[in-house]
Amino acid sequence: KAGVTQTPRYLIKTRGQQVTLSCSPISGHRSVSWYQQTPGQGLQFLFEYFSETQRNKGNFPGRFSGRQFSNSRSEMNVSTLELGDSALYLCASSIDPTTNEKLFFGSGTQLSVL
Amino acid sequence: DAKTTQPPSMDCAEGRAANLPCNHSTISGNEYVYWYRQIHSQGPQYIIHGLKNNETNEMASLIITEDRKSSTLILPHATLRDTAVYYCIVRANQGGKLIFGQGTELSVKP
Repeated sequence: KAGVTQTPRYLIKTRGQQVTLSCSPISGHRSVSWYQQTPGQGLQFLFEYFSETQRNKGNFPGRFSGRQFSNSRSEMNVSTLELGDSALYLCASSIDPTTNEKLFFGSGTQLSVL
Repeated sequence: DAKTTQPPSMDCAEGRAANLPCNHSTISGNEYVYWYRQIHSQGPQYIIHGLKNNETNEMASLIITEDRKSSTLILPHATLRDTAVYYCIVRANQGGKLIFGQGTELSVKP
């Protein structure tokens, strides 16, 4: 069974641009969540989707948004990029977020904002 | 979600048991203790979780104290590939988001 797939693996953007990151969950998993990892702040929760609905949201500005499609694939978008958005963005999937199912993480997208 | 406290770093000799402590004194009755680890530049990997009983799987053992205010992750025979940052997380039984702390950086040395 394929794991969680995130694309692209690396991305370089400049300030003011926008970016879209993609996540394909493990087959059969209906929940996708996103995390941001920076050296200063560590791993922080961004948002969680289940059956195309945002179920939970972290404490990030509105420039960060996401969505989930009917096939459970998810995208997150960051508009008007800032230098501080440089981070590893991780996606995780699970079968059902309302239970104690463990999360499976992808390898992440490393975003550099210049 | 309850907060967890872990030592920032630990060393362990290869082949010996690695015992990683975690304090979660404000844990609620319906919250589980989870352990994940992250090897450099990879996504976190699930290790084990438990509510109040000790748990064991192919990777590790989890010992939770009777009052549930602390726990210990045990890697019985540490190898160099176990060098990673280990995160102890408390999570509500309704599932959902993981709140990561700073974790413990475990270095396994030959």
